[in-house]
Amino acid sequence: QVQLVQSGSELKKPGASVKVSCKASGYTFINYAMNWVRQAPGQGLEWMGWINTNTGNPTYAQDFTGRLVFSLDTSVNTAYLQISSLKAEDVAVYYCARSAYDGTFDIWGQGTMVTVSS
Amino acid sequence: DIQMTQSPSSLSASVGDRVTITCRASQGIRNDVGWYQQKSGKAPKRLIYAASSLQSGVPSRFSGSGSGTEFTLTINSLQPEDFATYYCLQHNDYPHTFGGGTKVEIK
Repeated sequence: QVQLVQSGSELKKPGASVKVSCKASGYTFINYAMNWVRQAPGQGLEWMGWINTNTGNPTYAQDFTGRLVFSLDTSVNTAYLQISSLKAEDVAVYYCARSAYDGTFDIWGQGTMVTVSS
Repeated sequence: DIQMTQSPSSLSASVGDRVTITCRASQGIRNDVGWYQQKSGKAPKRLIYAASSLQSGVPSRFSGSGSGTEFTLTINSLQPEDFATYYCLQHNDYPHTFGGGTKVEIK
C-alpha cells in the first residue's frame, strides 16, 4: 500500500544537527512532491516547505529559511529533512506529507519527534 | 501570506450532534482547501480535498463546502471516534497555511 515511513525519534544537544528520513513505498516516488510539516508540542501544524522529487528543487517557507535542507535519494525513494544549529524551539514532531495531484497532502508519514536538550 | 482563520478553536458536543467548523481565508483562494482530522499522537488524516470532495474511505457524515474565502467542514451525527482536532489547509499560494485547529471534545 501507499505509505511514508519516517525515521525514529531523535534526542540532540543544542547546536547539533539532525537528519530525518521519509521513505516512500507503493507509488512512483518522483511523480509526487513531498512536503515537510512541523508541529510543536501542543501546537498546530506549520508548513515548512516542499521538494520537487523529480528535479530535487526545494522551496522553503520564509519562517524556516537558513537552517533547513530538504534532499532526496531517489534510488531508495527517500526524502530527507536536515536541521542544523538546533535550538530549544526546534522541539517538535516533524511530518513528511505527499502532495496529491489536487494540491492537498494526501499521505502522511507517522511523524518524527525531535527533542533538543543539553 | 494567506491567513486561514479557523473557528471555533474548540467546541464541546454530544454524540449525534451536528458540528460545523469554519475557515476564513484572508484572500480568495478558489476551492484550494483541504480538511484534516488529527487524533492525539497521530499524523493528520485527509478528510476533504478541493473544498468539498470526500476522501475515499471517509464516512459520508463528513462534508465540506465553500469557495473563495469561506469554507466549512460539517460533521453530521457526531460519533465517538470523531472526537479529535480538525485543521483546514490552503494550497492556493505559497506558503501553504493551516488554520489554527478546532478541538472537538465530548460534552
